[in-house]
This record gives sequence, C-alpha cells and structure tokens, in this order.
Amino acid sequence: DAEITQSPRHKITETGRQVTLACHQTWNHNNMFWYRQDLGHGLRLIHYSYGVHDTNKGEVSDGYSVSRSNTEDLPLTLESAASSQTSVYFCASSESGWTGELFFGEGSRLTVL
Amino acid sequence: RKEVEQDPGPFNVPEGATVAFNCTYSNSASQSFFWYRQDCRKEPKLLMSVYSSGNEDGRFTAQLNRASQYISLLIRDSKLSDSATYLCVPHGNTGGFKTIFGAGTRLFVKA
Repeated sequence: DAEITQSPRHKITETGRQVTLACHQTWNHNNMFWYRQDLGHGLRLIHYSYGVHDTNKGEVSDGYSVSRSNTEDLPLTLESAASSQTSVYFCASSESGWTGELFFGEGSRLTVL
Repeated sequence: RKEVEQDPGPFNVPEGATVAFNCTYSNSASQSFFWYRQDCRKEPKLLMSVYSSGNEDGRFTAQLNRASQYISLLIRDSKLSDSATYLCVPHGNTGGFKTIFGAGTRLFVKA
C-alpha cells in the first residue's frame, strides 16, 4: 500500500545544531508540504513543493529550508535549531489538481534544548 | 480577516447529541472543501470532502454556501469516539494547491 513516512519520529537536539527531518511518500504525488503544529496555533505551513526542483515558502518559513531532488522525498532542514522550533512537524502530500486531499505522515516531534 | 475562521471550542456535548461546527473562509476562489479530524497528537485524517453544495456520510453532514463563503459540519447522534479536533480546510484557498488550515474546533463527547 502507498504511504507517507517521516523520520525520525522523535528527536531531541541542542540550540544551534542542524537538524533534518525526512519525509518519503510512495503515492507518486507531485505536491508535498511541511507543517508545524503548536498548541494554540493549529497547523502552519512551512514550505511546499509542486514537483521536482520546485520549492516555495509558506507562512512560517524563516529558519527552515527544503529541497526536492525526486518525487518521493522532501526533507526539511533546520539550519540552526532554535528553542522556538520545538514543535510537532507533519509532512503531507497530495495529487495535482483540485481534488486536494492531503495524506499526512505520522509526525515528527522535535525538541530543541 | 483570517483566511479560515472556525468556531472557537471546546464543544462539550453528551452522547447522542447533535452538534454543528461553522467555518468561514476569505478566498472566494477556493475550489474544494474538506473537513479533517485530528485526534490528540496524531496526524489529521480526512473526514469529508465537499465539492458542490454539500455531502452526507452516515452521521456526518457538510454544507457549503459559496455565496456566504461558509462551510458547516453537522454530527448527529454523537459518540464518545467523535471526541477530537475538527479542522476546516478550503483547498487552494490562497491560490495553487497549497492548503491553509483553520485552527480547529475541539469536541468533547461525554458519557
């Protein structure tokens, strides 16, 4: 069955370290998204991609970067982790077109000390 | 005005009750609409899609009013297992295929 997986599921790191969260989908979807979720803020869009070599900034992109070298993967990098980036991160994918259903990974819980 | 606004929660209802959530959106170009359900600390999962005026699936009914830019979700005969956060999602609400979520409405169903 097709799926979307995130790794690591839990990570603790220190301020200033670089962190990469992996997202891999086997749906063959062109669209991929990264969200963060914090208490009181709901899901906020960080970066998104409509296809290979395409990346775009979302609502809260400062301090994050993504790259899309193939259809299956959209890794999210925190260049220099900050305590404000402690959050739960969700990756999602969707087909192109207006059907729009998002398929989510199980989330990655990141703690920055 | 926020792009997506939902009823503030939490809603506390007894089992068997009927409860309705409201959602307004600002971008009239939104093409399709979704309600997602999110359990605590889990990923959101699609509950219902709405492409025309409404949709019904068992105890759940979604209504869309494009003129008023308003979506609702009605849950009949609430179950304990309906306790969750419900997210309103007008798809493509900021152009293209990216999706901005509402903050969600928390529902607690009590025995």
